[in-house]
Amino acid sequence: DSGVTQTPKHLITATGQRVTLRCSPRSGDLSVYWYQQSLDQGLQFLIQYYNGEERAKGNILERFSAQQFPDLHSELNLSSLELGDSALYFCASSQRRGLPPDTQYFGPGTRLTVL
Amino acid sequence: AQKVTQAQTEISVVEKEDVTLDCVYETRDTTYYLFWYKQPPSGELVFLIRRNSFDEQNEISGRYSWNFQKSTSSFNFTITASQVVDSAVYFCALSEARPGNTPLVFGKGTRLSVIA
Repeated sequence: DSGVTQTPKHLITATGQRVTLRCSPRSGDLSVYWYQQSLDQGLQFLIQYYNGEERAKGNILERFSAQQFPDLHSELNLSSLELGDSALYFCASSQRRGLPPDTQYFGPGTRLTVL
Repeated sequence: AQKVTQAQTEISVVEKEDVTLDCVYETRDTTYYLFWYKQPPSGELVFLIRRNSFDEQNEISGRYSWNFQKSTSSFNFTITASQVVDSAVYFCALSEARPGNTPLVFGKGTRLSVIA
């Protein structure tokens, strides 16, 4: 168990809809990352938050957005869903305050199916 | 730009055989981290190892060993006496080493099947 939790585990929805994926980082971790794993694109970085602020942006579509709340949990919002958004979405966390860069630990993922 | 290449898409071995998974990386950074993660059929990503770019010592952990060679930009992973439970997709990844952590750049993964 990595200590990172993600809900829900599975999500099935229709095209055009909007969903929210939730992530709770390991206790004490300040950074949260979102990654997308699809068959054609592999594992791709979407966005990173550090202590509530956006730190880095990857291949994240404009239809997607994220935020990190004061309690450090994060949500990834996916809107106007398309069939191609079907994927496994991972959250990872790292970075204890005052410590050097460390390993990213991953949650179990949310499998999104868009029908 | 950073890039990780895992040329072996799929490998199949018989139980108890040794197997090496290759990883070649590209980066302009002088300091960076290299990682291996395992993704079993259940789907989660399990951290296996992190190696700092200035530490070229090879590492052994039980049946697992890692060979880091900066001269060839490679970070290969060997499983000795493979077992069926080793069947998984293995990902090599790279990140910059700077404060605040940086995102991981993953290879495409190598699917390992260990046959009993």
